[in-house]
Amino acid sequence: DPKIIQKPKYLVAVTGSEKILICEQYLGHNAMYWYRQSAKKPLEFMFSYSYQKLMDNQTASSRFQPQSSKKNHLDLQITALKPDDSATYFCASSHGTGVYEQYFGPGTRLTVL
Amino acid sequence: QQKVQQSPESLSVPEGGMASLNCTSSDRNFQYFWWYRQHSGEGPKALMSIFSDGDKKEGRFTAHLNKASLHVSLHIRDSQPSDSALYFCAASEPQGGRALIFGTGTTVSVSP
Repeated sequence: DPKIIQKPKYLVAVTGSEKILICEQYLGHNAMYWYRQSAKKPLEFMFSYSYQKLMDNQTASSRFQPQSSKKNHLDLQITALKPDDSATYFCASSHGTGVYEQYFGPGTRLTVL
Repeated sequence: QQKVQQSPESLSVPEGGMASLNCTSSDRNFQYFWWYRQHSGEGPKALMSIFSDGDKKEGRFTAHLNKASLHVSLHIRDSQPSDSALYFCAASEPQGGRALIFGTGTTVSVSP
């Protein structure tokens, strides 16, 4: 069974709309992350959470808002979508925010038209 | 400017051959390095970590770290077609340990 679930796998949105990307992990980890991968840039760190609290935010835009309703959930809300937001978004988790291996989910591919 | 650079961009290796990948960081705050592998349509998966100067071997994979020059390499011995993938070097700071900063990636193709 997959240990990190991301939903949906594919998502198409129109410019200006809002979408929520879902992530659940069943590894018993305490830290969760969001990364973005686009054709133009390598994997890019966005957010990290530990015990449902924001630890690090390297996303310049407030249009990206992580939401953690449970320790093993970290969703990503994106508002006012732009074509440049088109990318694959990966959720990851690790035992803690120290030097631990990060395990990645299968990703959600977002296309903004 | 990209803080973690990788070379080459792509690499073709015959089955059974040796693949050598390079990674250089421009930030001396990065002390911990990882190699990740990503197959098409999947998320990245960690291959190995290296935190100390010298070599670290795990099966067919050997990583080498030189902290003075901030250079990390990965060597894949006896390459298999299943090794065909995108390989990333990733770095993190010791006190933060939160964000992984990924390199630009090297695409490895192993031909039978």
